[in-house]
Amino acid sequence: SQQGEEDPQALSIQEGENATMNCSYKTSINNLQWYRQNSGRGLVHLILIRSNEREKHSGRLRVTLDTSKKSSSLLITASRAADTASYFCASSYGGSQGNLIFGKGTKLSVKP
Amino acid sequence: GAVVSQHPSWVICKSGTSVKIECRSLDFQATTMFWYRQFPKQSLMLMATSNEGSKATYEQGVEKDKFLINHASLTLSTLTVTSAHPEDSSFYICSASPPSGRALFGDTQYFGPGTRLTVL
Repeated sequence: SQQGEEDPQALSIQEGENATMNCSYKTSINNLQWYRQNSGRGLVHLILIRSNEREKHSGRLRVTLDTSKKSSSLLITASRAADTASYFCASSYGGSQGNLIFGKGTKLSVKP
Repeated sequence: GAVVSQHPSWVICKSGTSVKIECRSLDFQATTMFWYRQFPKQSLMLMATSNEGSKATYEQGVEKDKFLINHASLTLSTLTVTSAHPEDSSFYICSASPPSGRALFGDTQYFGPGTRLTVL
């Protein structure tokens, strides 16, 4: 299976703490994307990092990409209860409309 | 911009019936649409890639005769689950990809809100 791995599978933290989620993938990618999914809902695109980028920021989100290790991390700083959701990484392998291969996801719970 | 809708948002049907799910790109033309399936507490698994005006490309293990995909226009793709059975109960999510170079986020896809199918 090409599906990537994410860890941890579940993460529970207190409001105000930082949350770090990791993702690994299997072959060379075009870009890697992070998505958020609230329970039973659709996906919300958070951030995209290209294979030639190493770090990207968007608000309280920081994404890193290490192509030598085939891994990425998503850091949410100063977490809020509203950040409670599942977070998925998705790797794009080629072409501007290529398939996305999703990781297994990290279920984040932020306690007020 | 870049809104994708799905209809219905949920459906309950009897075993053996067929169910059609629509995926629409509301404010852009989608040359490619993707259909995913997500079982409870699991990740999204790509079922098929649909290109406007041509046959869909199905992933290994997905029965093309059971999951009929039609992408007749640049803003609409439909997934029909034929002769649905309880094991087909799942969350079905579509995504749409605008023509190359026109996506807001580069190569990203825009996801619909999903359709929850329950087969009794």
